Amino acid sequence: EVQLVESGGGLVQPGRSLRLSCAASGFTFDDYAMHWVRQAPGKGLEWVSGISWNSVSIGYADSVKGRFTISRDNAKNSLYLQMDSLRAEDTALYYCAKVFSRRFDYWGQGTLVTVSS
Amino acid sequence: QSALTQPPSASGSPGQSVTISCTGSSSDVGGNNYVSWYQQHPGKVPKLMIYEVNKRPSGVPDRFSGSKSGNTASLTVSGLQAEDEADYYCVSYAGSNNYVFGTGTKVTVL
Repeated sequence: EVQLVESGGGLVQPGRSLRLSCAASGFTFDDYAMHWVRQAPGKGLEWVSGISWNSVSIGYADSVKGRFTISRDNAKNSLYLQMDSLRAEDTALYYCAKVFSRRFDYWGQGTLVTVSS
Repeated sequence: QSALTQPPSASGSPGQSVTISCTGSSSDVGGNNYVSWYQQHPGKVPKLMIYEVNKRPSGVPDRFSGSKSGNTASLTVSGLQAEDEADYYCVSYAGSNNYVFGTGTKVTVL
């Protein structure tokens, strides 16, 4: 059974940093691209960032480019999102998602990030 | 990376059909066949309903169907049921490991 478990969310002040993690199990992690998708409270889904199986291809939404860094450790079956210079508008539930053939086929339950002073 | 445009809401009576549009550009929706649709009930994780424009994952009822014409993709839910009431999002691959989501549509079953 595929499982994606996010962690690392919490309350952080504007301008500070936070690192999210996603622990994957139930599939061959290093065969698949992985992505982060977020959802602000009461708002729609927004793609944040994605990384190919071998970390060669990486993409970011314009809204986070230059502030967020995605990475993965295939030996640990883990995905990460380093979030720097956080802003109030980054407040959201952050989902980790597995991608197969350009579709998000499995999602985690999400971890909540709140940016506030 | 502008969000794909969806109508904010759509509705229909049980048994009727509802169609949701998803309009992008030649850089995303119109440029490939990697359009997918997700259903999200309140407080729940999004669920894949349609992929590659018109394919259904196993377990998704055949009441759900997808299509595309030019820069606009569509999701049709036929034979509406109460459990279909949810938010629906389209997503398109936009090249170079980038994706763009739609603005979301709230479907109400009257």
